[in-house]
Amino acid sequence: SQQGEEDPQALSIQEGENATMNCSYKTSINNLQWYRQNSGRGLVHLILIRSNEREKHSGRLRVTLDTSKKSSSLLITASRAADTASYFCATDIAGNQFYFGTGTSLTVIP
Amino acid sequence: DGGITQSPKYLFRKEGQNVTLSCEQNLNHDAMYWYRQDPGQGLRLIYYSQIVNDFQKGDIAEGYSVSREKKESFPLTVTSAQKNPTAFYLCASWDGGFSGNTIYFGEGSWLTVV
Repeated sequence: SQQGEEDPQALSIQEGENATMNCSYKTSINNLQWYRQNSGRGLVHLILIRSNEREKHSGRLRVTLDTSKKSSSLLITASRAADTASYFCATDIAGNQFYFGTGTSLTVIP
Repeated sequence: DGGITQSPKYLFRKEGQNVTLSCEQNLNHDAMYWYRQDPGQGLRLIYYSQIVNDFQKGDIAEGYSVSREKKESFPLTVTSAQKNPTAFYLCASWDGGFSGNTIYFGEGSWLTVV
């Protein structure tokens, strides 16, 4: 399987703190994406970073990519209770097959 | 609004039964996917289809079947050969890289064996 691994599996923080989660993957990729899943719902796209990019920002999200280490990180700044969800990284193989990591469950305590 | 519709949201299967999960999209995407998610776990690829009348097995295709007779529809049948089908099933489509390379998901279907 090409599935990635997120770390940590679970993260609990206070509202206002920053949350960092990491993703490691196994093979060369075209790009890496991060998705969010609220409990019992579908996944929603957050941000995409291409293999030739090292860092990308979108609102309170900051994503980094290190292709030499086959890893990525997602930083959520100034977290809110509404950020409570599971977060998954997704890598594409050959441009049309997408493999998801095991996810990080984030709990933001009000 | 454009999106992916999965039905039913909850489905119960008796031992030995085949059940079919529906997935319809009005996003005009060529590529569609089925994933399985077990509680607290990641997503595993069951089948994917790049174009009408064509589909390929993913990592866990055994015990499942699909069809792609229309661009907008990609139903998944969970057959009696799937010995542990209780899971959350997610259908998705891909924009082919034309508008952000985004994967769009349905709201999922819960399947429980009774």
